[in-house]
Amino acid sequence: DTEVTQTPKHLVMGMTNKKSLKCEQHMGHRAMYWYKQKAKKPPELMFVYSYEKLSINESVPSRFSPECPNSSLLNLHLHALQPEDSALYLCASSPMVGGSTDTQYFGPGTRLTVL
Amino acid sequence: GDSVTQMEGPVTLSEEAFLTINCTYTATGYPSLFWYVQYPGEGLQLLLKATKADDKGSNKGFEATYRKETTSFHLEKGSVQVSDSAVYFCALGGGSQGNLIFGKGTKLSVKP
Repeated sequence: DTEVTQTPKHLVMGMTNKKSLKCEQHMGHRAMYWYKQKAKKPPELMFVYSYEKLSINESVPSRFSPECPNSSLLNLHLHALQPEDSALYLCASSPMVGGSTDTQYFGPGTRLTVL
Repeated sequence: GDSVTQMEGPVTLSEEAFLTINCTYTATGYPSLFWYVQYPGEGLQLLLKATKADDKGSNKGFEATYRKETTSFHLEKGSVQVSDSAVYFCALGGGSQGNLIFGKGTKLSVKP
């Protein structure tokens, strides 16, 4: 089983709202990732968690706040977003960070629209 | 730094045509190479991968060979179907920070 699940599938929020995206994997992977994908562009890395600790934050604005409650779950808390934050948010996992053979498996994504 | 250059589309083919999508890379060390596919409205799915020089990845009729001498990982399929219409991303992995480096993506449309 190489499934990564994400909820919700779609999310519409106002600029003053607070919402959260959820990602889950049960493959025993110890690395989890958040990517942002704008239309007709490749995914851009936002955050990397390794063994439930944040290892990379790619200069993402503080209105995005990641959380890794346990090795299977990854959340992305959203607050005071801007319309330009509208995008597809993808979660991925891999057995570990780094190494030459670790494949990242992606979830179906959350389509976020900020009004 | 490491990078991936992928042929830009869109690519439009008739059903049963031969497909090639070119991908070349620049990297230090010995990265793994991947092809991911993204169908409309969906996330990325791993299509195939290769972890060392001369490895051939294959899946669902698609193939790509890791060519170190030409730093290439071209995607091929002998006979495409309408259901293959999607965006294809070439990616380079194995970085110490665990990040994938993606090409810009190639949109493939297959007409009946």
